[in-house]
Amino acid sequence: DTAVSQTPKYLVTQMGNDKSIKCEQNLGHDTMYWYKQDSKKFLKIMFSYNNKELIINETVPNRFSPKSPDKAHLNLHINSLELGDSAVYFCASSQVRGEGADEKLFFGSGTQLSVL
Amino acid sequence: DQQVKQNSPSLSVQEGRISILNCDYTNSMFDYFLWYKKYPAEGPTFLISISSIKDKNEDGRFTVFLNKSAKHLSLHIVPSQPGDSAVYFCAGDFGNEKLTFGTGTRLTIIP
Repeated sequence: DTAVSQTPKYLVTQMGNDKSIKCEQNLGHDTMYWYKQDSKKFLKIMFSYNNKELIINETVPNRFSPKSPDKAHLNLHINSLELGDSAVYFCASSQVRGEGADEKLFFGSGTQLSVL
Repeated sequence: DQQVKQNSPSLSVQEGRISILNCDYTNSMFDYFLWYKKYPAEGPTFLISISSIKDKNEDGRFTVFLNKSAKHLSLHIVPSQPGDSAVYFCAGDFGNEKLTFGTGTRLTIIP
């Protein structure tokens, strides 16, 4: 009964391939995110979706395309993988901050992507 | 442009003593700050937060202090326990649902 689950946990692939990472949350949250943690340990937001609608797109290359079939799922598809895409990708969800709500994110356990 | 900085990449503290983790920020628009804790091979988990209208928030062994004039916050853990060994991330938010994280401090509690 994991709150935010993402698969796969590890992904090793060749340059130029296309791959997807899936994420699901069972918390009933309205907002979902993709964060990337690079080799320098910076944890940076890539995208956020609120109720299936794209809210934030942080100048991520077009090769990255998020898809939200419903508010409980946010998948990340990456085309033409490059060496620099190697990182840990975290999915997260939150309830939109409102009166009495905390702006806290619930993270998945991460997907370690290695592009060879 | 690193808006949230954690200048100490690592910290070792004796069990039972106080652990103090520091965080500096540059964006004056941040109105909410959060600390996350991360174990290896897991995602970060929320630990404690503070609104910019407060200067202190306490939750059990964890206390966060905010000094707005210095643009500095700190997390105090007392007493430190072996299970506290983890990487701690500080994050700032200004209501745009986009947390800005620091690079983390690895805390090691020595038994």
